[in-house]
Amino acid sequence: NAGVTQTPKFRILKIGQSMTLQCTQDMNHNYMYWYRQDPGMGLKLIYYSVGAGITDKGEVPNGYNVSRSTTEDFPLRLELAAPSQTSVYFCASSYSDRPNYGYTFGSGTRLTVV
Amino acid sequence: QKEVEQNSGPLSVPEGAIASLNCTYSDRGSQSFFWYRQYSGKSPELIMFIYSNGDKEDGRFTAQLNKASQYVSLLIRDSQPSDSATYLCAPRRGDSNYQLIWGAGTKLIIKP
Repeated sequence: NAGVTQTPKFRILKIGQSMTLQCTQDMNHNYMYWYRQDPGMGLKLIYYSVGAGITDKGEVPNGYNVSRSTTEDFPLRLELAAPSQTSVYFCASSYSDRPNYGYTFGSGTRLTVV
Repeated sequence: QKEVEQNSGPLSVPEGAIASLNCTYSDRGSQSFFWYRQYSGKSPELIMFIYSNGDKEDGRFTAQLNKASQYVSLLIRDSQPSDSATYLCAPRRGDSNYQLIWGAGTKLIIKP
């Protein structure tokens, strides 16, 4: 049982390049999330999904896009990378919206835009 | 006012002592509360959750909740150097059950 798998672990992008951060979970969780975490800061929600085919914006969606074609996969697309997108990106999933269910996180992707 | 307030620290505690981590939140509709631990360079991992007023114990960890005061805390007994990490408080939103609201975390350092 791998849990939540993120790839790549590290990436350096040049300004204006694009890339996709991959996230896969094998726990049959309906809910999935993308967060970014800047140094010394809390987690900021970029996008989330409550099931296949359903996505919605979080608090910092600009410059990003997502899709959810299957329950397992929730890729995050960065278009026209900017230095402000340098951050650590975490994907998370949750089985339910019941009060006692927390999130399971992937190991993160450390992205640097130069 | 931030939705979730935590003292950023660092909080320095001697090994074997009790570490007390505090969190206040603004959403009166929040019904469940989560504590995550995040080691430097790693992803957050769930320690425990609480949804009833009072105390909840799990091993060396005790979560305390006071909804009237909008206050939640985490106590770590017999602190070990391996407890050194950042602790994130995360209430679940009252208006949409599937989202957690994240505090910026308190950095805890356990001194041997």
